[in-house]
Amino acid sequence: SQQGEEDPQALSIQEGENATMNCSYKTSINNLQWYRQNSGRGLVHLILIRSNEREKHSGRLRVTLDTSKKSSSLLITASRAADTASYFCATDGSIQGAQKLVFGQGTRLTINP
Amino acid sequence: NAGVTQTPKFQVLKTGQSMTLQCAQDMNHEYMSWYRQDPGMGLRLIHYSVGAGITDQGEVPNGYNVSRSTTEDFPLRLLSAAPSQTSVYFCASRVGTDYGYTFGSGTRLTVV
Repeated sequence: SQQGEEDPQALSIQEGENATMNCSYKTSINNLQWYRQNSGRGLVHLILIRSNEREKHSGRLRVTLDTSKKSSSLLITASRAADTASYFCATDGSIQGAQKLVFGQGTRLTINP
Repeated sequence: NAGVTQTPKFQVLKTGQSMTLQCAQDMNHEYMSWYRQDPGMGLRLIHYSVGAGITDQGEVPNGYNVSRSTTEDFPLRLLSAAPSQTSVYFCASRVGTDYGYTFGSGTRLTVV
């Protein structure tokens, strides 16, 4: 079963607006990661936030993590047409000493020019 | 550095055939994983490895085998292909925990 669930499943906004995607998960984690996937391509790692961190920034990306609510959000500011892609959260939890990265189903983001 | 290289990019198999999807990385990463992605779904973990000689099952391991004889290579074997294995397969690697994965470009597999 998949750990993370993204919300919304699809999001369409105008260029220049901010886009917010949410991710909820079920079990304790070591870290949470966000990835981008352009149509027909592999996934690209965007940002990682550790369980003891609450907020992280990378360029136009801002990620928050609330471990008490088991949720995370990804904010993309000043969106561009090139941001059109699917975005996935992935949780990294320790199971019997091994590490598995488990993905959610993704949010499809469309930026309209 | 080439990163993570997957071959082939496309493959059509007949039901019952076997094949191996190749994955190689040149970044000296210890952790490698295989995922499958089906339409409208996220990625599901098939098998993973935390180092040469060490592999373990993910969420959907049935019908697949892996081995990790070297740090660089992590092949995925389909034992007897079934239409339910039609999917896009991604291999990924990372240097260790608390790091993100580098993904290959994927293998699109169709089983008829």
